Amino acid sequence: DQQVKQNSPSLSVQEGRISILNCDYTNSMFDYFLWYKKYPAEGPTFLISISSIKDKNEDGRFTVFLNKSAKHLSLHIVPSQPGDSAVYFCAARPMGRDDKIIFGKGTRLHILP
Amino acid sequence: DAGVIQSPRHEVTEMGQEVTLRCKPISGHDYLFWYRQTMMRGLELLIYFNNNVPIDDSGMPEDRFSAKMPNASFSTLKIQPSEPRDSAVYFCASSFPGTNVSPLHFGNGTRLTVT
Repeated sequence: DQQVKQNSPSLSVQEGRISILNCDYTNSMFDYFLWYKKYPAEGPTFLISISSIKDKNEDGRFTVFLNKSAKHLSLHIVPSQPGDSAVYFCAARPMGRDDKIIFGKGTRLHILP
Repeated sequence: DAGVIQSPRHEVTEMGQEVTLRCKPISGHDYLFWYRQTMMRGLELLIYFNNNVPIDDSGMPEDRFSAKMPNASFSTLKIQPSEPRDSAVYFCASSFPGTNVSPLHFGNGTRLTVT
């Protein structure tokens, strides 16, 4: 049973436009959400996170939005660049468990020239 | 810092053989995690350690899987006997507990193919 769901296996976006990656979760006890980026033949790397007490966190071109009532979060990348082509994993941490991170299946983002 | 180091990068073995994957976490990190990535299930947490002690192994699929952490700088994940359905990329990650959420630092993974 997937507690963190990324329903779009892939997404293609024109360079310079906005990329929006979506993630849904089922466990209301998650208190932190994270996004990781993964290039081929490499391990995932941390991108950005958001606490459940916030609804937005921004870091340069990357913004994560959290809608707790809908149990939904999204990652916005503006403007999209060729180097953003990668697999993006949404992840969540159960409250009080700072040691356990649960990942979604990932969304492959293609930035088109 | 060299980051999390995993070996081997690739492993091809025949069904029934024993497979051992190795991991060296980042020095000073208290937590070590083993994840498995497949197309069907994404990144699954198999087991994790805190200060070399296994905390949660509920993600280990079967008794064929075992993991050890004999010291703070080394961990192994063993599959015995291996089966074709074990084919996947296995990642090791480590983290240092912080006041909020501590990002995991992943190794580059071991791609396992069982024929």
